[in-house]
Amino acid sequence: DTEVTQTPKHLVMGMTNKKSLKCEQHMGHRAMYWYKQKAKKPPELMFVYSYEKLSINESVPSRFSPECPNSSLLNLHLHALQPEDSALYLCASSQVGGRGGELFFGEGSRLTVL
Amino acid sequence: KNEVEQSPQNLTAQEGEFITINCSYSVGISALHWLQQHPGGGIVSLFMLSSGKKKHGRLIATINIQEKHSSLHITASHPRDSAVYICAGNTGNQFYFGTGTSLTVIP
Repeated sequence: DTEVTQTPKHLVMGMTNKKSLKCEQHMGHRAMYWYKQKAKKPPELMFVYSYEKLSINESVPSRFSPECPNSSLLNLHLHALQPEDSALYLCASSQVGGRGGELFFGEGSRLTVL
Repeated sequence: KNEVEQSPQNLTAQEGEFITINCSYSVGISALHWLQQHPGGGIVSLFMLSSGKKKHGRLIATINIQEKHSSLHITASHPRDSAVYICAGNTGNQFYFGTGTSLTVIP
């Protein structure tokens, strides 16, 4: 199984809503990532979890709250978002280690904030 | 200046043409990755390489460590190759992404 599964694929939410994005992998990868991608731009790193602990937080606003309940799951909790937060949110996973490893991406969750 | 630079930014080719996309990086990296993203879609890893050359079907990736340069070649290009190709370098879990090359292959 070389898949990273993200749900939902599409999400529309208002600025006062609370929602969550979910990501799952069963490749035994112990590094998991959240990236944000705007149209025609490369992915921007938001968070990295290594061995279920937050290892990198790229100064992301607190309205985005990541959670890694176990080695296979990664969530991104969303609250009080702004319209400019509309983007494709990509989850990825890789091996941990000095060289890291191949990066496996999910299909993404396309978020629209009204 | 980005840690990873790609060229060209946009590329249009006729079906069957040989295509080259270039990537240069200015930071120390453990490995170089070539990624593919179709419009509206997720990102697929094509290659991860730290030296030499790798081939998969019609795709070939090369890297020159001394010159900090990598190339992605597509032989006998096909319209289904139309996508954005992204070069990325990593050290551990830190990835540096290029801005991507948008390829359109015309039938």
